Amino acid sequence: AQTVTQSQPEMSVQEAETVTLSCTYDTSENNYYLFWYKQPPSRQMILVIRQEAYKQQNATENRFSVNFQKAAKSFSLKISDSQLGDTAMYFCAPGAGDKIIFGKGTRLHILP
Amino acid sequence: DTGVSQNPRHKITKRGQNVTFRCDPISEHNRLYWYRQTLGQGPEFLTYFQNEAQLEKSRLLSDRFSAERPKGSFSTLEIQRTEQGDSAMYLCAGGRDRVADTQYFGPGTRLTVL
Repeated sequence: AQTVTQSQPEMSVQEAETVTLSCTYDTSENNYYLFWYKQPPSRQMILVIRQEAYKQQNATENRFSVNFQKAAKSFSLKISDSQLGDTAMYFCAPGAGDKIIFGKGTRLHILP
Repeated sequence: DTGVSQNPRHKITKRGQNVTFRCDPISEHNRLYWYRQTLGQGPEFLTYFQNEAQLEKSRLLSDRFSAERPKGSFSTLEIQRTEQGDSAMYLCAGGRDRVADTQYFGPGTRLTVL
């Protein structure tokens, strides 16, 4: 079974600042994947970034990067140079077998 | 826009009525997932299809829920004898063949059971 914990229900940062969202997970699988999905207000959920657990190198996508600590089962998301459009719910989601499990999310507000 | 559509976007019904939701993924999506999302929570897995075959169902999916994906294209989720606890956002997502692949979510159907 997989579990996921996002310990920050809500965060606010000023535009252009850097913010880190935390996520810890537990899984008994050896082969799994980790995702961060973003759900903007009243808009569709979209993938932010993906990490294969067998890869040691942390994934990056433009302003988004992860800090993947496999032994600690930690998978945090860093957003650099935050923009107003980054305001959204962010879900950490480990995936193994045939499905992914979503955390409860962190509501991120980017302030002008 | 992910290309995945869901209809209706909102549904208000009375307890005990049956409701049906539809999801249209893009043609490349061999997999189709259904999730339920309640306020303040992340999406909870309900079931998924690989083409037209329903391969896994969550324990959350009681016998009042049924899902189909005829011909491996669109999918429907039916809830019979709705209860107030069924009130939630129902999301569908399309994807390719592996859990590693990106899931493309629809806008959801918000169900309110009075």
